[in-house]
Amino acid sequence: DTGVSQDPRHKITKRGQNVTFRCDPISEHNRLYWYRQTLGQGPEFLTYFQNEAQLEKSRLLSDRFSAERPKGSFSTLEIQRTEQGDSAMYLCASSPETGGGTEAFFGQGTRLTVV
Amino acid sequence: AQSVTQPDIHITVSEGASLELRCNYSYGATPYLFWYVQSPGQGLQLLLKYFSGDTLVQGIKGFEAEFKRSQSSFNLRKPSVHWSDAAEYFCAVTGGKSGAGSYQLTFGKGTKLSVIP
Repeated sequence: DTGVSQDPRHKITKRGQNVTFRCDPISEHNRLYWYRQTLGQGPEFLTYFQNEAQLEKSRLLSDRFSAERPKGSFSTLEIQRTEQGDSAMYLCASSPETGGGTEAFFGQGTRLTVV
Repeated sequence: AQSVTQPDIHITVSEGASLELRCNYSYGATPYLFWYVQSPGQGLQLLLKYFSGDTLVQGIKGFEAEFKRSQSSFNLRKPSVHWSDAAEYFCAVTGGKSGAGSYQLTFGKGTKLSVIP
């Protein structure tokens, strides 16, 4: 297994455009997370899936953001009508359903620049 | 609400010197604690984790961390730093299945480590 895969690695878009990112988790990991990381900050939680069910969304996830995980495997994160404040690194992570805590494995991230 | 404080934004050490990165957390119950490392433009790699048991945990690349409940701390240490350790280090906490039903991680703002050859 090659780990968590994210595509694209970099995206430059004009303000107002829509963008979509894809995340392929480690196979058999049923938990999938999206985080956002801005310059000089730690990652901030956006949303969480267990299989195909989106169980939690942060208040950071405005109405312009939508995430899906239709078959419980890969996930997409779409941002509509992008704003300059959306410029950030978007990180995907996955973890297995083991008892106790979570050991999240992160992808390389998608860096979004809104111009 | 859970939170993590990493008091040092930037630390510079000489190669071969020892290293300690500080992390203080706030969480109402027994926390699950993690240290991740991030190289420029890359994702995060897990260095080590604490769930329960022995409060001194060993990780990859020669790192270790000690959980001190009385001080709400989980400091990362390495006895001898290598130039390749230069990166940004993040401490994170989760409560496992929180009341919200998720396992979201709360991260500190990170400590950037520079290594002088």
